Amino acid sequence: DGGITQSPKYLFRKEGQNVTLSCEQNLNHDAMYWYRQDPGQGLRLIYYSQIVNDFQKGDIAEGYSVSREKKESFPLTVTSAQKNPTAFYLCASSRPTSTSQDEQYFGPGTRLTVT
Amino acid sequence: EDQVTQSPEALRLQEGESSSLNCSYTVSGLRGLFWYRQDPGKGPEFLFTLYSAGEEKEKERLKATLTKKESFLHITAPKPEDSATYLCAVQVWGTSYGKLTFGQGTILTVHP
Repeated sequence: DGGITQSPKYLFRKEGQNVTLSCEQNLNHDAMYWYRQDPGQGLRLIYYSQIVNDFQKGDIAEGYSVSREKKESFPLTVTSAQKNPTAFYLCASSRPTSTSQDEQYFGPGTRLTVT
Repeated sequence: EDQVTQSPEALRLQEGESSSLNCSYTVSGLRGLFWYRQDPGKGPEFLFTLYSAGEEKEKERLKATLTKKESFLHITAPKPEDSATYLCAVQVWGTSYGKLTFGQGTILTVHP
């Protein structure tokens, strides 16, 4: 089955620690995205990548970092510089073309709690 | 600044009671409008993409429509399993490629 996997489902960390969230897709999609979701708010874009070895900041990139060494993988690191890291993190992928914009498909999410 | 506003924030229906969810948008140039369904603790599930005013798409009990200022998600004879948060998002010409701007969602509860 093709899809997007995120691990772990739940993650607990102490304040001041960096943590890396995993995102893998086997849909052969070129573009990948990281969003953050907080209660009562819409999804907000953290980082996105259109191709391997290239990525751009989204609306709320401060305190986060990413890498895109493989087409299938787009890990997100939440650093200690992120002031409010507790949230639900969603990874997505899509296959944009020059004439249309394919929909984004989402993974199951990782709920990060920092205390 | 691109804005997406969904209303109502929450909607409670009886099974079989049809209704509509609204997604109003203010953008510089709409490239596409997307509807997603999200169950608690899960990732959003894609439902529809609409590209131009007047376009309609249907899937089972759901029908999405689009005008130049808003989109509606019509739910006909809903069932309890339709209970979820429904998210609307827009994609705009001239912005970061692939970027979606989301509304805050409408929480739908259907009682048996």
